[in-house]
Amino acid sequence: QQQVKQSPQSLIVQKGGISIINCAYENTAFDYFPWYQQFPGKGPALLIAIRPDVSEKKEGRFTISFNKSAKQFSLHIMDSQPGDSATYFCAAKGWEAAGNKLTFGGGTRVLVKP
Amino acid sequence: KAGVTQTPRYLIKTRGQQVTLSCSPISGHRSVSWYQQTPGQGLQFLFEYFSETQRNKGNFPGRFSGRQFSNSRSEMNVSTLELGDSALYLCASGLFGASQETQYFGPGTRLLVL
Repeated sequence: QQQVKQSPQSLIVQKGGISIINCAYENTAFDYFPWYQQFPGKGPALLIAIRPDVSEKKEGRFTISFNKSAKQFSLHIMDSQPGDSATYFCAAKGWEAAGNKLTFGGGTRVLVKP
Repeated sequence: KAGVTQTPRYLIKTRGQQVTLSCSPISGHRSVSWYQQTPGQGLQFLFEYFSETQRNKGNFPGRFSGRQFSNSRSEMNVSTLELGDSALYLCASGLFGASQETQYFGPGTRLLVL
C-alpha cells in the first residue's frame, strides 16, 4: 500500500523557472513531512520539513506548502538552477511512539536546463 | 561532525550467499534506520534500532535482519540472497524524541546479486 503518492515522476524546467512537486498522503497519523534531495551516487539529504500546524515554510529558494484538510503537501523550488537537478522525495513520519520510520513517495527526477 | 558512514560501498554477491552491511551513525545519534532503494519500489523501510532494540520493522522477509551495538553502530544481514535483493541499502541516523525529527542518510551500500 503506497501511503504517500508523489507526482510528477519527472519534470524539466528552464533555469530561473519554478519546479513544483506534489505529494498526497492517506495516513492521518503522519505528523512530520520532510523533503529529501538525492544526487546520483549519494544518499538522500534533508532539504526542508514541515509539521501539520504550519501551512507554509520557506527556506531560501525552497518552500513547502501544506494543506492538512486535503492531506496534500508540495515543494516549490524558485529560481531553479542547474545544480538543483536531482531526484526529490517527499516523506512522512508518524507519531513519536512509532519511531523514526519514514514513508517515502516515489520520487521526482528534476532536470533544470541552462 | 562526521556524517553517517556505511561499509562497504559496493558489493557483488551470488545467489544463495549471505551479506552483512555496516553503518556507523553520527556521533551522539542512537537511532539507526535501514532502507532499501530500488528503481521499481523506491525507498522502503527495513527496520529501525534504538538503544540496541529493534523499534520498528518494515514488510520484508525474515532473510533480512539487523542488530545494533552498544556504541550505536548497526549491521544488517541478508541471508540466502536473491536476484531481487540487488539494491542500494541506505542507513539513516537520528536523535530520539518528537522534537528531534531530522534523520541523516549515509551514502549507501550498493549490492549487486548475480
